[in-house]
Amino acid sequence: DADVTQTPRNRITKTGKRIMLECSQTKGHDRMYWYRQDPGLGLRLIYYSFDVKDINKGEISDGYSVSRQAQAKFSLSLESAIPNQTALYFCATSDLQGSAGDTQYFGPGTRLTVL
Amino acid sequence: AQKVTQAQTEISVVEKEDVTLDCVYETRDTTYYLFWYKQPPSGELVFLIRRNSFDEQNEISGRYSWNFQKSTSSFNFTITASQVVDSAVYFCALSGVNNAGNMLTFGGGTRLMVKP
Repeated sequence: DADVTQTPRNRITKTGKRIMLECSQTKGHDRMYWYRQDPGLGLRLIYYSFDVKDINKGEISDGYSVSRQAQAKFSLSLESAIPNQTALYFCATSDLQGSAGDTQYFGPGTRLTVL
Repeated sequence: AQKVTQAQTEISVVEKEDVTLDCVYETRDTTYYLFWYKQPPSGELVFLIRRNSFDEQNEISGRYSWNFQKSTSSFNFTITASQVVDSAVYFCALSGVNNAGNMLTFGGGTRLMVKP
């Protein structure tokens, strides 16, 4: 079984709808991340969490919110989806190895289309 | 601010050719980490390598090798004797000690197509 899973894998929704993307991990890592990927732009960080009580905004958090329900679960919500949130979304996890440089392991991605 | 540039957006080679993917980075941190990830057509991101700024030794893993040069701020990736299964998008990424949340700064990616 995959160490980092994301549900759903594909989702088509309409403008204005609320949608939640879920991430679960069995790696036992404390740190979890949400990124979005747009063509030609690589991945950009939306939110990150270093433990259940720690939530931080990333580079592009506007229009998104997150919830860390447990060490193993980290959800991303779009309260009112808009077309420019159409992207491939990745969840990642990492283990504390120091102040920086811990390797992040990614889930399979969720392809979201907002019409 | 940090920046990663992968100038080659797309490369096409014939199987068994060697190919080098370029990665140039910018950072003010003296301690930082560089990564390469592979994204095959199936879409997942696969970790390939992590290198810290103190270690400039080149690394080889099978057909893969990495050349880290601080003097030119580059961390290039070479695939020797390429195979069709190497076809993917490859991302170079950077994380500095002053990055909030260990944020990875990604390059735009290089799409490698290996033709039979």
